[in-house]
Amino acid sequence: ETGVTQTPRHLVMGMTNKKSLKCEQHLGHNAMYWYKQSAKKPLELMFVYSLEERVENNSVPSRFSPECPNSSHLFLHLHTLQPEDSALYLCASSRTGTDTQYFGPGTRLTVL
Amino acid sequence: DAKTTQPPSMDCAEGRAANLPCNHSTISGNEYVYWYRQIHSQGPQYIIHGLKNNETNEMASLIITEDRKSSTLILPHATLRDTAVYYCIALPTGFQKLVFGTGTRLLVSP
Repeated sequence: ETGVTQTPRHLVMGMTNKKSLKCEQHLGHNAMYWYKQSAKKPLELMFVYSLEERVENNSVPSRFSPECPNSSHLFLHLHTLQPEDSALYLCASSRTGTDTQYFGPGTRLTVL
Repeated sequence: DAKTTQPPSMDCAEGRAANLPCNHSTISGNEYVYWYRQIHSQGPQYIIHGLKNNETNEMASLIITEDRKSSTLILPHATLRDTAVYYCIALPTGFQKLVFGTGTRLLVSP
């Protein structure tokens, strides 16, 4: 248990669905991250939030939309995904944007 | 960030020490050596990190050579639950964008 939780743990969705991934950290950290991990690319940074402001957006398609309402919660809103978006989506947090990152268990997403 | 090189796989008997090597010959002075591990289909788990001194915590020890070109992660008494892929990463101070290589797949057997 790292203090970072993610829900749901598994998600199957069609290409026309809209769904959201949720991440919550109980560590009092100020930075939160979304990563994508797939067989083709081991670990890809998608978004970074520091003090609830987005500080990094690594050319992620607009069908992925992050939201950080406060320093403890991070969402990833998904719509009109493609099958190649199937992957393990990982949330991480750190005390600041330069400290050690702690990961949640991930959401295994399958897009049909 | 400096490139790291790790053996693709290692075996260890349960109860014995697991010594996982990492080569980072191009590491720069402001880069830390970080170790994470990932059990199949779970989120990566932070293990330990260091700059130039040896470090120890409740999970492992990290031995960094004096020239900082290589390091060894030591799990002193490996258990079956330590079976995982172990990643060695060189990260500079400042913003950290984690990029995992292929890592070392450690198999701990009874």
